[in-house]
Formats: sequence, C-alpha cells, structure tokens
Amino acid sequence: KAGVTQTPRYLIKTRGQQVTLSCSPISGHRSVSWYQQTPGQGLQFLFEYFSETQRNKGNFPGRFSGRQFSNSRSEMNVSTLELGDSALYLCASSKVAGSYEQYFGPGTRLTVT
Amino acid sequence: ELKVEQNPLFLSMQEGKNYTIYCNYSTTSDRLYWYRQDPGKSLESLFVLLSNGAVKQEGRLMASLDTKARLSTLHITAAVHDLSATYFCAVDKDTGNQFYFGTGTSLTVIP
Repeated sequence: KAGVTQTPRYLIKTRGQQVTLSCSPISGHRSVSWYQQTPGQGLQFLFEYFSETQRNKGNFPGRFSGRQFSNSRSEMNVSTLELGDSALYLCASSKVAGSYEQYFGPGTRLTVT
Repeated sequence: ELKVEQNPLFLSMQEGKNYTIYCNYSTTSDRLYWYRQDPGKSLESLFVLLSNGAVKQEGRLMASLDTKARLSTLHITAAVHDLSATYFCAVDKDTGNQFYFGTGTSLTVIP
C-alpha cells in the first residue's frame, strides 16, 4: 500500500513569488492535513481538508491557502513568499476526519531566498 | 490556545541507560500521540494513547498517559544508538485532525 506522497520534495523560491505544494493521501483516505515545521516555531498546524471542505484552519495569514480535489489530493499555496516561510511542509492523511490515525508524508522542503 | 510542553529539549544519554521524556499539555484531551523524527525525515508514529491510564510498549520504548494530570511519559529502557532521533508528543482537539505538537526532545545515545 503506497504511503502519502508529496511533490516536489525540494523547492527554492524567491521572496515575493508564490508556490504550490501537492499532497496525495493514502488510497482510501479522505482527510488531509498540512503542517509547517521550522526550527523556531516547531510543528504548526496549517489546515485540514475533508471531502473537499476545509474543516479546521491554524493561525496563519491569508497568504496560506489550500484546497482538496474530489480524488482527495490536496494542494497548498503560499503567495507573496517571505523568508520566514522557509520550512518543511508536511502533509498527513487519515481515513476520515477526526481519526486518530494520521500518516505523514516525506515533506516538501521550501527555501525562500 | 492549547499548549504542549516537552522536557527535556535535549537529552544525551549513554547506551544501556534508562530515561524518561515528559509531555505536559494545557487542556483536556484523551488522545495523545508520540512520533519519532530522524534528521531530514518525516514523522513516524510510535504510539497512540486513547484513554486515561493507557500504557503501550514497543521494544525499548514505553508510553503512558495520565489525562487527569495532563501528562504523558515516554520511557526509554536500556538505550541503544538506533534510538537517537527527535521525539515529539502531540495532542489533538476533539473536533478533528488538528494536532498540537510539543517542542520535541532531541535524543542522542552515546555508545
């Protein structure tokens, strides 16, 4: 059974640009959550999607947005990139919303220069 | 806002020794998770604790949960080098998969 996949794995962008990250959950999983990991702030929840609807949102500015498609794949977008957006972005999938079994993907390492 | 604190932040221990990592959280929750992260890697689930008094063991690691004290512990028995990693605890809100992670404990086991 394939795990959670994230693309791209590494990304370098310039301040002011925008970026889109992709996450494909485990087959049959319908909930996708996104987290940002930085040395300073640790692991922080960004948002969760279930059945194409955003269920929860963390305390991030509106530059961070996401969506989920009918096949449960999810994308997150960051507009007007700032240096502080450099981070490891992790995606996690679970069968249903509120499930205690979340499986994390390998992450996308974003570097903003 | 829900806060999750771990201590210690850094732990250096010799092989064969025992130690405990503590995880305190600030609000009521019956679900507590432990993850391991190796450098540059993603999070690997270690334990899911779903009720007060829950205890789970896997190899040299044992986790427990006291929801009344809002405390979970991860006990390491007879540490080996392969256990070197960063360990995170996390708590979720009742409403969904919004995990609140602790600061992490960076464990180094010295041969």
